[in-house]
Amino acid sequence: DARVTQTPRHKVTEMGQEVTMRCQPILGHNTVFWYRQTMMQGLELLAYFRNRAPLDDSGMPKDRFSAEMPDATLATLKIQPSEPRDSAVYFCASGTGTEHEKLFFGSGTQLSVL
Amino acid sequence: AQSVTQLDSQVPVFEEAPVELRCNYSSSVSVYLFWYVQYPNQGLQLLLKYLSGSTLVKGINGFEAEFNKSQTSFHLRKPSVHISDTAEYFCAVRGGATNKLIFGTGTLLAVQP
Repeated sequence: DARVTQTPRHKVTEMGQEVTMRCQPILGHNTVFWYRQTMMQGLELLAYFRNRAPLDDSGMPKDRFSAEMPDATLATLKIQPSEPRDSAVYFCASGTGTEHEKLFFGSGTQLSVL
Repeated sequence: AQSVTQLDSQVPVFEEAPVELRCNYSSSVSVYLFWYVQYPNQGLQLLLKYLSGSTLVKGINGFEAEFNKSQTSFHLRKPSVHISDTAEYFCAVRGGATNKLIFGTGTLLAVQP
């Protein structure tokens, strides 16, 4: 079965360290979403790409977060420097690019910043 | 801008009982509506979606949802739940200029024996 792959599954780091999360979308999908899930805020959209171009990253704190797609098979989300309030589960999802597309989610990266 | 409201954070229900999970949306334009389910320690999976046409949409695992434009609602229903339906359910809306998929805060369906 085709699936979205996220690495690492778990990450524990200290405040101030750089964190890089990776996502391999399903082959042939041309939209990629990054969501952050916390108990308090639920699912927040951080960034949204179509054909590797960022369409919307208004939900992402620009001073410390950055999202890129160096190629069609890899999306990255970086936090530098990380802070304890960044602790959350980060999900990547990919889709076929239509407005009513079904999104396929990865299993998430659980990030703990101490 | 679109938004989604799920008023119930948790819905406890006994096995084999019917259940309804409520979802209301707001939008000034036509939108697409979705229900996703999240099992523990997993990503989200699509249950069903409403695009147009018939207001009653059937999804996987025996779930269905009814689109009501006048009430701006898209409630999820199942006539008889199983223990395995215990999960977090998210309503989502997409459309408009930004075309972002916006999720509600989720409803935890807790099925008890």
